[in-house]
Amino acid sequence: AQSVTQPDIHITVSEGASLELRCNYSYGATPYLFWYVQSPGQGLQLLLKYFSGDTLVQGIKGFEAEFKRSQSSFNLRKPSVHWSDAAEYFCAVGERTASKLTFGTGTRLQVTL
Amino acid sequence: DAGVIQSPRHEVTEMGQEVTLRCKPISGHNSLFWYRQTMMRGLELLIYFNNNVPIDDSGMPEDRFSAKMPNASFSTLKIQPSEPRDSAVYFCASSSQRPNHEQFFGPGTRLTVL
Repeated sequence: AQSVTQPDIHITVSEGASLELRCNYSYGATPYLFWYVQSPGQGLQLLLKYFSGDTLVQGIKGFEAEFKRSQSSFNLRKPSVHWSDAAEYFCAVGERTASKLTFGTGTRLQVTL
Repeated sequence: DAGVIQSPRHEVTEMGQEVTLRCKPISGHNSLFWYRQTMMRGLELLIYFNNNVPIDDSGMPEDRFSAKMPNASFSTLKIQPSEPRDSAVYFCASSSQRPNHEQFFGPGTRLTVL
């Protein structure tokens, strides 16, 4: 069965600094990979997704993620964080033959001014 | 499209009462998911349906929980009787199996059981 590990529970960065959130997955084949963001009191919103092709994917709000098969990773990056990026971020992996997603435990991002 | 619609947005009830949460998926989506989110356990998949048929209910915590999807545009999650430990935010999500299983989440129902 697939699994997702987000090793950082909580990260604090200064506004304007760069950001990298880590995500490692376990899956036997090439997975579908997703990053979602959840603002306080809100549902989850899709930031970006990877299915095939270019391993560097661009998402909304200036985020990008890179799929590295050799490291089983799909880390999320942003070159300059804004205070409005403070939220919880979830990485998820999906099978190509089923609709179920497996979510990581999330990383809470705090942005200091 | 209005997105995934959940009702009610907030529910406060007393222990022992029946609670029914409702979800309307995005039109044309054929998969529907119920999740529960708590501080202690994070985001948990409770059950999901494909084409109105329950596929995996292994996440349903116990017999007090039940879910139905009588048609493609409506699903319910029922808790009977409710207990304080059921307090959580319950999310509904829907997806189309093609091309990529991307799930769209509703705003959630915040349930408080006193």
